[in-house]
Amino acid sequence: GAGVSQSPSNKVTEKGKDVELRCDPISGHTALYWYRQSLGQGLEFLIYFQGNSAPDKSGLPSDRFSAERTGGSVSTLTIQRTQQEDSAVYLCASSALLTHGYTFGSGTRLTVV
Amino acid sequence: KQEVTQIPAALSVPEGENLVLNCSFTDSAIYNLQWFRQDPGKGLTSLLLIQSSQREQTSGRLNASLDKSSGRSTLYIAASQPGDSATYLCAVRRVDTDKLIFGTGTRLQVFP
Repeated sequence: GAGVSQSPSNKVTEKGKDVELRCDPISGHTALYWYRQSLGQGLEFLIYFQGNSAPDKSGLPSDRFSAERTGGSVSTLTIQRTQQEDSAVYLCASSALLTHGYTFGSGTRLTVV
Repeated sequence: KQEVTQIPAALSVPEGENLVLNCSFTDSAIYNLQWFRQDPGKGLTSLLLIQSSQREQTSGRLNASLDKSSGRSTLYIAASQPGDSATYLCAVRRVDTDKLIFGTGTRLQVFP
């Protein structure tokens, strides 16, 4: 596609429920990244994919968070048993080569009530 | 550990002024540095990308420079406009891990 697409754009969920956030990167981009931005805070790295493998999962906050990528394309970030502190904007980005920049999606705003 | 700092944290200026936003990073082992703008409640829009071997990049009223040896980058905005109001973020792409490390951001307000 022309850009990085994320869905849903907004998600309100009850505490304790599971949520899935989707990212559709730019076609042909091998690298895909998930970041999180809490209200008034900076960007926090979560996980990075190269193809379908995840060389760096160091930013996942807890074992309630997981992510996968299939076919070297779409990625899903799953948060189990959501907590209020999970409320944030979740941003996805993709990149073609190391010398290329990142392109970000518009994000998913997650609110846990 | 790579740390990225941006100065000033906030800036409020009248329309028409030329602006300089600063970014400093502690580890020079980077592939490139990227400047983004973020509007409230929105995602990030890429402004300029400078490779580690380059000294500067220009796009319209924007010019970004990079001095890798001293760990500094500067974003210059000429003839600022109210539409430039946003948060500006710099980010470095590390050689060892490939992930972007973001700065703390500069919140810019340009008033008419």
